[in-house]
Amino acid sequence: DQQVKQNSPSLSVQEGRISILNCDYTNSMFDYFLWYKKYPAEGPTFLISISSIKDKNEDGRFTVFLNKSAKHLSLHIVPSQPGDSAVYFCAARPGTGTASKLTFGTGTRLQVTL
Amino acid sequence: NAGVTQTPKFRILKIGQSMTLQCTQDMNHNYMYWYRQDPGMGLKLIYYSVGAGITDKGEVPNGYNVSRSTTEDFPLRLELAAPSQTSVYFCASTYALGQGGEKLFFGSGTQLSVL
Repeated sequence: DQQVKQNSPSLSVQEGRISILNCDYTNSMFDYFLWYKKYPAEGPTFLISISSIKDKNEDGRFTVFLNKSAKHLSLHIVPSQPGDSAVYFCAARPGTGTASKLTFGTGTRLQVTL
Repeated sequence: NAGVTQTPKFRILKIGQSMTLQCTQDMNHNYMYWYRQDPGMGLKLIYYSVGAGITDKGEVPNGYNVSRSTTEDFPLRLELAAPSQTSVYFCASTYALGQGGEKLFFGSGTQLSVL
């Protein structure tokens, strides 16, 4: 049972435009959400996170939106740059005492074209 | 600052062979994790540790063993390699929960093929 779903395996966006990556989850106990970025032959690196008490978190060109009622979050990248081309994983964690056991989605491969 | 270091980067095993994937971190993190990533799939948690001497199973522990004798090291042992263990393995670590501890720091991975 995939508790964190990224239904778009890939996305292609022109440089300078907005990239929107989506993530849905089914476990209502999740209270902390993260996005990781992964380049080929490297480990994932943390990008941005959001707690369930917020509905938006912004860090430079990256903004994450959380819609708890829809169990949906999205990552917006504005403007998109060629260096943003990578696989993006959505991850989620339930409440305290869970030793940060993250559940990951299957990833969305973003290609930013010139 | 090296962060999380995994060795080897690549390995090919024959069915039934054993090996240990090494993971060490120099950030004094208490929490360490082993994940595997199969093609087209998300990362699945194999084992984790909340401190030296303490380990616990994750989502997919069968066929693996771990130990945590020091804060720095968290090796993953495959005793009888099977083709189903062909995957990319990632080690990760983090510090205290509730202080951004959800932000795992990952190693660069070990690509393992069992033939």
